[in-house]
Amino acid sequence: KNQVEQSPQSLIILEGKNCTLQCNYTVSPFSNLRWYKQDTGRGPVSLTIMTFSENTKSNGRYTATLDADTKQSSLHITASQLSDSASYICVVSGGRGSQGNLIFGKGTKLSVKP
Amino acid sequence: DSGVTQTPKHLITATGQRVTLRCSPRSGDLSVYWYQQSLDQGLQFLIQYYNGEERAKGNILERFSAQQFPDLHSELNLSSLELGDSALYFCASSVAWAGVNEQFFGPGTRLTVL
Repeated sequence: KNQVEQSPQSLIILEGKNCTLQCNYTVSPFSNLRWYKQDTGRGPVSLTIMTFSENTKSNGRYTATLDADTKQSSLHITASQLSDSASYICVVSGGRGSQGNLIFGKGTKLSVKP
Repeated sequence: DSGVTQTPKHLITATGQRVTLRCSPRSGDLSVYWYQQSLDQGLQFLIQYYNGEERAKGNILERFSAQQFPDLHSELNLSSLELGDSALYFCASSVAWAGVNEQFFGPGTRLTVL
């Protein structure tokens, strides 16, 4: 069964600290993996999109890694800021990347405290 | 601002009623997607349109329907509303209908069914 599981479910860190969020998937075949940031009550915003051949991608203080062999991805946030408080959603696209094969994780809720 | 607009922002209605949610995609985007996000739940893909034609269907109830018009705006119709339909409804748009194409999300419509 195609699934995307994220851990931890929630995380509290102090401002300035780093953190890493995990995503494991069983989607097959695989096309690409995306990380989104969603502020409470707002629409998700794309952080990174990685295809099979990419194993790391950065967007400012956000760095995503992908291991297609173990079907794992991580999102590393460096020097966290209060504005990083949000849900982070891992999404895996299967097949030819068609929408019908987009599998969403439930997200990790990150709280950054001063 | 993603460039995707959704109206209305909030909608309060009663069980059994019918509502229409509207979405205007980013300029140049041909594909529109609809998602439902219930309280503390992950995003659920409902349906996708590309240049006026339905491209993919997700977990969309029979009471729900959508269409994309020649000017590319889309409407999601929800009928015979139930309490459980209360949720945030997001629209997203992208240039293509499949592949590694970034989706841009609107601000959402919050539907409350009383």
